[in-house]
Amino acid sequence: AQSVTQLDSQVPVFEEAPVELRCNYSSSVSVYLFWYVQYPNQGLQLLLKYLSGSTLVKGINGFEAEFNKSQTSFHLRKPSVHISDTAEYFCAVSGRDSNYQLIWGAGTKLIIKP
Amino acid sequence: NAGVTQTPKFQVLKTGQSMTLQCAQDMNHNSMYWYRQDPGMGLRLIYYSASEGTTDKGEVPNGYNVSRLNKREFSLRLESAAPSQTSVYFCATEGIRAPQETQYFGPGTRLLVL
Repeated sequence: AQSVTQLDSQVPVFEEAPVELRCNYSSSVSVYLFWYVQYPNQGLQLLLKYLSGSTLVKGINGFEAEFNKSQTSFHLRKPSVHISDTAEYFCAVSGRDSNYQLIWGAGTKLIIKP
Repeated sequence: NAGVTQTPKFQVLKTGQSMTLQCAQDMNHNSMYWYRQDPGMGLRLIYYSASEGTTDKGEVPNGYNVSRLNKREFSLRLESAAPSQTSVYFCATEGIRAPQETQYFGPGTRLLVL
């Protein structure tokens, strides 16, 4: 069965510093990969997704993620974070192993220190 | 456009009470989903409706029922609430049920069962 592991439950980082949020998945077949963001007391919204083609995917708010098939990873990066990036970030995967249902990671809270 | 709306925003129930969570969308989407979000566990799918007139169980359907009233509305019912159902409930929609599609989320309903 498919699973998603987000290795860090919380990531504290100083404002204007770079950040990487890690996501690994398990699957034996091709997958679609997603990052969603949840701002405090709100629903989730899509940051970016990988469907096929270029392994580097650019999303909203300056975020990008790189699909690495050999390492089964889809890490999210931003070169310089802002206080408004304070949120919880969820990685999700969809594929034949999950009957094309979205399988979600546990989430990573990004804490921006001023 | 309101997008995806959920009512109520917050609810406190006693064990054994029943209630219905409402979800409505004005996005003309075919597919709708109910998730629960618990700390450290990401999102878990309760039920989904691929299109008007159909519903299917997700990962954690026990203790819940759903109704796809029409294309716009998808309700979640707890017949006899239990403390284990204390959670944040999210409704989401999708244009069509397909693995590469983006899901759009409502703001959530916080439920506390005493």
